[in-house]
Amino acid sequence: EDKVVQSPLSLVVHEGDTVTLNCSYEVTNFRSLLWYKQEKKAPTFLFMLTSSGIEKKSGRLSSILDKKELFSILNITATQTGDSAIYLCAVTNYGGATNKLIFGTGTLLAVQP
Amino acid sequence: DSGVTQTPKHLITATGQRVTLRCSPRSGDLSVYWYQQSLDQGLQFLIQYYNGEERAKGNILERFSAQQFPDLHSELNLSSLELGDSALYFCASSVDGDRAYEQYFGPGTRLTVT
Repeated sequence: EDKVVQSPLSLVVHEGDTVTLNCSYEVTNFRSLLWYKQEKKAPTFLFMLTSSGIEKKSGRLSSILDKKELFSILNITATQTGDSAIYLCAVTNYGGATNKLIFGTGTLLAVQP
Repeated sequence: DSGVTQTPKHLITATGQRVTLRCSPRSGDLSVYWYQQSLDQGLQFLIQYYNGEERAKGNILERFSAQQFPDLHSELNLSSLELGDSALYFCASSVDGDRAYEQYFGPGTRLTVT
């Protein structure tokens, strides 16, 4: 059965700290890994990774994929209170005609002032 | 704002009832996906439509059904509701081709079954 596991489940940091969120996966015919940020309601797209070792970066957020070890990390530097959210990792696989996302349970990040 | 709209925002109904959730995808997106988010299960894929045709089914109960109309909006019908169906229901849409995996989510419909 396809599985996505995120860790930690939750963490609390202070503004300015750097955090690393982890996502490991076991899926057949892996295609891509995506990170989403969920604040009050809808998840919003952050990154999509398909190749190992190539870092994707957007401002203070960056992410990298290791297809050999089957994991990805999401780094957030100089955290701000606005980074407080649930961070969701999802994977997609080849097979069939669907682009469905298989989500992990998320990491709840709380950034305190 | 992702461009995906969902109505209603909140729905409170009793067990045994039937409800319809509505979704309008982003302009130009042909694929619509439905997901259910509950505290114990996380975000679970339910069903995908592409240009009016069902493309894939996930963990969707037989009491649930969906369709996508010619104008590409989609409806998710939930019947014989049970307490365990209380959850946040998201619709997402995507373009076709290489960026099909970048799904954009609507604000969700919170369903409470009492």
